[in-house]
Amino acid sequence: GAGVSQSPRYKVAKRGQDVALRCDPISGHVSLFWYQQALGQGPEFLTYFQNEAQLDKSGLPSDRFFAERPEGSVSTLKIQRTQQEDSAVYLCASSKTLVGQGYNEQFFGPGTRLTVL
Amino acid sequence: DQQVKQNSPSLSVQEGRISILNCDYTNSMFDYFLWYKKYPAEGPTFLISISSIKDKNEDGRFTVFLNKSAKHLSLHIVPSQPGDSAVYFCAASAGRGGADGLTFGKGTHLIIQP
Repeated sequence: GAGVSQSPRYKVAKRGQDVALRCDPISGHVSLFWYQQALGQGPEFLTYFQNEAQLDKSGLPSDRFFAERPEGSVSTLKIQRTQQEDSAVYLCASSKTLVGQGYNEQFFGPGTRLTVL
Repeated sequence: DQQVKQNSPSLSVQEGRISILNCDYTNSMFDYFLWYKKYPAEGPTFLISISSIKDKNEDGRFTVFLNKSAKHLSLHIVPSQPGDSAVYFCAASAGRGGADGLTFGKGTHLIIQP
């Protein structure tokens, strides 16, 4: 398919476990974004990559959250020592946009629903 | 403090009538606004956008209006169809040509009644 894909779609973790969430962006999209969506809320920005460079991580809620995109395509969001408040849907989005080249919309994947028990 | 506000959690409209979804924002640095539509268990799907240099953008049944002085935008859907039933999110971007994270509202659940 040509869209953004995420895996797994659902993840249940025990409190204290580490989890890794994967995002495959649309081929050729240089920008990649991670968002967290709590129940009944809109998505909230976590971090942004342009190719392999993480240009903004201001939205990461704590140092337990870590994201990488080592080859400028696939990205992984890792959460260490998960807590119950980490339960949410984690959305990945990609865009053709390069800084200064005008706006292009972000295309979202289906999300990973994380439940921490 | 929410920078993008959608004050109506839900809206019910009869099929064939006009649906109007509203959004207010507080950050004067926002210069690009988008509407996304979301079905359950799917990611948000881009619907329509508007730059702050315009006050209206139209695409088929969808029109977005921007009132910068009031920091208000609205999405009009006419005529409304059953497939339009979904959660609609208003989102905004702050002046970096799209190379930044979007700020979303909490969403409005639109229900189209037959």
